[in-house]
Amino acid sequence: DAKTTQPPSMDCAEGRAANLPCNHSTISGNEYVYWYRQIHSQGPQYIIHGLKNNETNEMASLIITEDRKSSTLILPHATLRDTAVYYCIVRVSQSGGSNYKLTFGKGTLLTVNP
Amino acid sequence: EPEVTQTPSHQVTQMGQEVILRCVPISNHLYFYWYRQILGQKVEFLVSFYNNEISEKSEIFDDQFSVERPDGSNFTLKIRSTKLEDSAMYFCASTWVRGAGEQYFGPGTRLTVT
Repeated sequence: DAKTTQPPSMDCAEGRAANLPCNHSTISGNEYVYWYRQIHSQGPQYIIHGLKNNETNEMASLIITEDRKSSTLILPHATLRDTAVYYCIVRVSQSGGSNYKLTFGKGTLLTVNP
Repeated sequence: EPEVTQTPSHQVTQMGQEVILRCVPISNHLYFYWYRQILGQKVEFLVSFYNNEISEKSEIFDDQFSVERPDGSNFTLKIRSTKLEDSAMYFCASTWVRGAGEQYFGPGTRLTVT
């Protein structure tokens, strides 16, 4: 799986958009970008994933650059409950591969301030 | 909304004792995982399981560890003879498609070995 680089921490004001960057310059053509978050000692929570097109769901938006070497997770209106460690994970998806596991890095600690 | 459940939430055991951590994955999921997180460290993959067989395991998952799906609902992780360094949060996860990056995690079991 491609290696990812994320800032160790970020702050965001409540109600504002939180933009979390991730660099994955060695990403391969068949690798997806996944985002998870972990709220203090809870189990990781899946947020969103994408291959090359931008994606949006009820939790967040994912913007992937055209060269796919970086991406940004956007929480459009951050709340205090969004304070968590956010993980960007790059890996192949779906069947055909033997890579079943998720490899977590250190992630970005997002602190949403009142 | 279906969710992964884990019991107990906290287990305290003495070094050398056997422990069994229990998980109930989401009911229509077929692929199961265990991860662990030592306090302050990354989430680490331990093992993946499908069709009553281990699909992949990490170097952490040595002969002291075993997994089982004893019935149609439970998925267990057994540590045969616990060590101090086994103290960690243990997370169970499940998904419905082989290799899917969308894994759904339980709340975890905190294992404390004294």
